[in-house]
Amino acid sequence: GQNIDQPTEMTATEGAIVQINCTYQTSGFNGLFWYQQHAGEAPTFLSYNVLDGLEEKGRFSSFLSRSKGYSYLLLKELQMKDSASYLCAVTDSNYQLIWGAGTKLIIKP
Amino acid sequence: GAVVSQHPSRVICKSGTSVKIECRSLDFQATTMFWYRQFPKQSLMLMATSNEGSKATYEQGVEKDKFLINHASLTLSTLTVTSAHPEDSSFYICSALTGAYEQYFGPGTRLTVT
Repeated sequence: GQNIDQPTEMTATEGAIVQINCTYQTSGFNGLFWYQQHAGEAPTFLSYNVLDGLEEKGRFSSFLSRSKGYSYLLLKELQMKDSASYLCAVTDSNYQLIWGAGTKLIIKP
Repeated sequence: GAVVSQHPSRVICKSGTSVKIECRSLDFQATTMFWYRQFPKQSLMLMATSNEGSKATYEQGVEKDKFLINHASLTLSTLTVTSAHPEDSSFYICSALTGAYEQYFGPGTRLTVT
């Protein structure tokens, strides 16, 4: 079966750095996405990785290792508005998105 | 960036009635649209894949006669929840596919069935 694992909840301090991990097992691989979702809202696109390595985009970076079925989202200089759920999703061989359950990130002052 | 709209954003209906939710891509043509539902504190669940001009492909466990999907044009897909029941109360989100991998999400529709 297809499976994506990520921690249920994480807590971090404002101004600090946090890394959210995601491991996956899917039928084929055509890219990995990270989305941010605030309560009651639709997900917002953060990043897309299809090749191994680190993609940096401002305060957010995303890393992919296809051989290990592993990705992480790195958030720097955390702000209170970063409190949200972070969803890892993988595009399988049919270009359908397989979703993780999301990691609820709580930022404390 | 690409914009996808949904209408209505919130709807409350009585049990047994039908509700239609529209999903529109505002500035691009989407040959494929996806419909998801999300229960509280759970991840998005793909319900169906909607292709313009053809029948939708439903995921296992999703009743196609209950959740009617119509993708009549390259910018509009509709989801009709027929004979709604309280357990259908959920957050319904659509997304539109542009290019090989870019999915843009609508803002979602909160359905409450009383």
